[in-house]
Amino acid sequence: QKEVEQNSGPLSVPEGAIASLNCTYSDRVSQSFFWYRQYSGKSPELIMSIYSNGDKEDGRFTAQLNKASQYVSLLIRDSQPSDSATYLCAVNGYGQNFVFGPGTRLSVLP
Amino acid sequence: DTEVTQTPKHLVMGMTNKKSLKCEQHMGHRAMYWYKQKAKKPPELMFVYSYEKLSINESVPSRFSPECPNSSLLNLHLHALQPEDSALYLCASSQGPVGASNTGELFFGEGSRLTVL
Repeated sequence: QKEVEQNSGPLSVPEGAIASLNCTYSDRVSQSFFWYRQYSGKSPELIMSIYSNGDKEDGRFTAQLNKASQYVSLLIRDSQPSDSATYLCAVNGYGQNFVFGPGTRLSVLP
Repeated sequence: DTEVTQTPKHLVMGMTNKKSLKCEQHMGHRAMYWYKQKAKKPPELMFVYSYEKLSINESVPSRFSPECPNSSLLNLHLHALQPEDSALYLCASSQGPVGASNTGELFFGEGSRLTVL
């Protein structure tokens, strides 16, 4: 069974710090990796996608992918209270459906 | 424009009612999805339409009936639901169809919050 695992948290970081969110996946044929942010009561919002090993940066967000270790992470620099949300890792590839991890709750403390 | 629109945003229904949730996307996406999400849980896949054909049904009870009238529209017909069906119902779409090597990114609508009394 294909699985995506995340630490459920909550992960608490002070404002201005770097928040590091981690995700591991079981299916080696996975090709596409996504991070979604979900505020309480709202729908998931795509914030990053990554397809190749290495780092991908977009503003304060950096996604890191290591296919050999089956590991993908999201770094949030200069964390703000508005970043407090649940972050969902999703994995897809070669005709497989998106598999979501359980999500990590992030709390950024002022 | 990456927008998936869902209506209604909120729905309250009794167990004997029949109602429908609607979803629309104009991004030319080839796959459309229904997800169900309970509080503090990840989205749970219900159905996937690819090229307007039902390609995946995740063993969803027949009281949920999907319909894809055309490539831009997706409906979820609800009948004889149970209180435990109360949840956030999310529609999503992706560029690539199911079975493609890369379906691209999945974009969600705002969801329909369903309460079954």
